[in-house]
Amino acid sequence: SQQGEEDPQALSIQEGENATMNCSYKTSINNLQWYRQNSGRGLVHLILIRSNEREKHSGRLRVTLDTSKKSSSLLITASRAADTASYFCATDQPRWGAGTASKLTFGTGTRLQVTL
Amino acid sequence: EPEVTQTPSHQVTQMGQEVILRCVPISNHLYFYWYRQILGQKVEFLVSFYNNEISEKSEIFDDQFSVERPDGSNFTLKIRSTKLEDSAMYFCASSRLGTQYFGPGTRLTVL
Repeated sequence: SQQGEEDPQALSIQEGENATMNCSYKTSINNLQWYRQNSGRGLVHLILIRSNEREKHSGRLRVTLDTSKKSSSLLITASRAADTASYFCATDQPRWGAGTASKLTFGTGTRLQVTL
Repeated sequence: EPEVTQTPSHQVTQMGQEVILRCVPISNHLYFYWYRQILGQKVEFLVSFYNNEISEKSEIFDDQFSVERPDGSNFTLKIRSTKLEDSAMYFCASSRLGTQYFGPGTRLTVL
C-alpha cells in the first residue's frame, strides 16, 4: 500500500457528533500535516504535528501521532455542517542539509459528510 | 492573512498546445512547489523549487514541464505540449519552514 492512507474512506455523521479520521504511513517522517479540501476547491492547511510531538490541539481539532505505529488521527469535535469536506494527511520525510525543500506525500483522503 | 494566489482558475486548451500556469507565493516564503490532482485521485507532488533552482522533481515532471521564477513574486509552471492526461487541478504551494500553504488551484482541461 501507499504512503499516507486514511480510513475510513467516507464518514457520515450528524451535526454535534465527533469525527475521527485515521492516517497510516510507511516511512520515517519529519512532519505530518492535515489538510481540508472542499469539493473541487483548494487545500486548506489545518494543523502540523512534528515527529517528536504526540498530540496537538487547535480549536475543535485534535491530532495525535504515534510514530511507533506510523499512524496519526484527526478528531473534529462538535462537528458542524460546514466541516463537510475531504480531509487528507500529508507527510514529509527527513531531509539532509539546510535549504532543502520537502515534498509532501498525500493520502487518499476521508470524505466527511456532516448532516443537520 | 497572506495567501497563495493562482491564475487562471480554469484553463481550457487543445492537445499539443503550451500552457503557463501562474502562482504568486506568500511573499516571505522561500520554498515553492507544484502539485497536481487528477479528478478523484490523490494530490501528487510535481516539483519543488528553492534558491532559483529545482530542488526535487517527480517522475511525472518530465521534459514537457518546466518551472520558472521570472521575478521576485511570480512562480510559473509551463507545460510545453499538453496531453489529454495532463487534465487535472494544479496546485501551487509555498513554505517558509514546515507548513506548506496551497493556492486555490488551476483546473486544466485538455481537449
